[in-house]
Amino acid sequence: TQLLEQSPQFLSIQEGENLTVYCNSSSVFSSLQWYRQEPGEGPVLLVTVVTGGEVKKLKRLTFQFGDARKDSSLHITAAQPGDTGLYLCAGARRGSTLGRLYFGRGTQLTVWP
Amino acid sequence: GAGVSQSPRYKVAKRGQDVALRCDPISGHVSLFWYQQALGQGPEFLTYFQNEAQLDKSGLPSDRFFAERPEGSVSTLKIQRTQQEDSAVYLCASSVGWGTSQETQYFGPGTRLLVL
Repeated sequence: TQLLEQSPQFLSIQEGENLTVYCNSSSVFSSLQWYRQEPGEGPVLLVTVVTGGEVKKLKRLTFQFGDARKDSSLHITAAQPGDTGLYLCAGARRGSTLGRLYFGRGTQLTVWP
Repeated sequence: GAGVSQSPRYKVAKRGQDVALRCDPISGHVSLFWYQQALGQGPEFLTYFQNEAQLDKSGLPSDRFFAERPEGSVSTLKIQRTQQEDSAVYLCASSVGWGTSQETQYFGPGTRLLVL
C-alpha cells in the first residue's frame, strides 16, 4: 500500500487542454515534492512545498499543498506535448530519516499535438 | 557532466547470480540515497548514507541486499543470489547537505536490472 495515492494513474489529453493531478494521503508530511521523470532517466525535481496552503507557480504549472499538509495538487494550463512524462509526488515525514522520500505511483501524462 | 552517474545502465542476470550496482554522486554531496522502482510504480526507499555512515537501511527488502559507501563518495549496491522479483530500476540520489526534508535530491539515470 502506497503512503501517497496519486490520481489519475494515466491521463491522455490534447494540446491546449488543462489538467489536474492529485496526490493524497492520510499522513502528514513536513514537505512535499513534485518530480517529472522521462523514460530511461531519473526523476527531476519540479518544486518543493513546505507550508500548509502554500501555492507555487512554475510557468504553466501550479502546485498546491493542502492546509493539513496531507495532500497536494499539480495543475497544468494549456498543456503542450513537451509536458508529456511521468509526474511523481513525494513526501518527507517528520520522524523519518531526514530526506527519506515516500513516492506515489505516478501519473503518466501524454499530451497529443 | 556534474550530475549523478550510475553504472551499468542495464544489467541482465541469471537467477542466483550476484550483481553490483555503482553510484557516483555529485562531488561533495554528503547524503546519498538508493531507491528501487518497479515497473509501473514510484521509487521506494532502500537505504541512506551520510558520508560513509549508513544511517538507515530499513528499506532493504532482504538480507540479500547490501550497500556500502566506504570513503563517503562512490556507493555500491550489491544484490546476492538475485531473484526474479529483484527486477527493477535502481535509482541513486544525492543531496548536498545532511538530507533535510527541503533539500533537493539529484537522481541518477538508474540501473535497469532484469533477472531471468
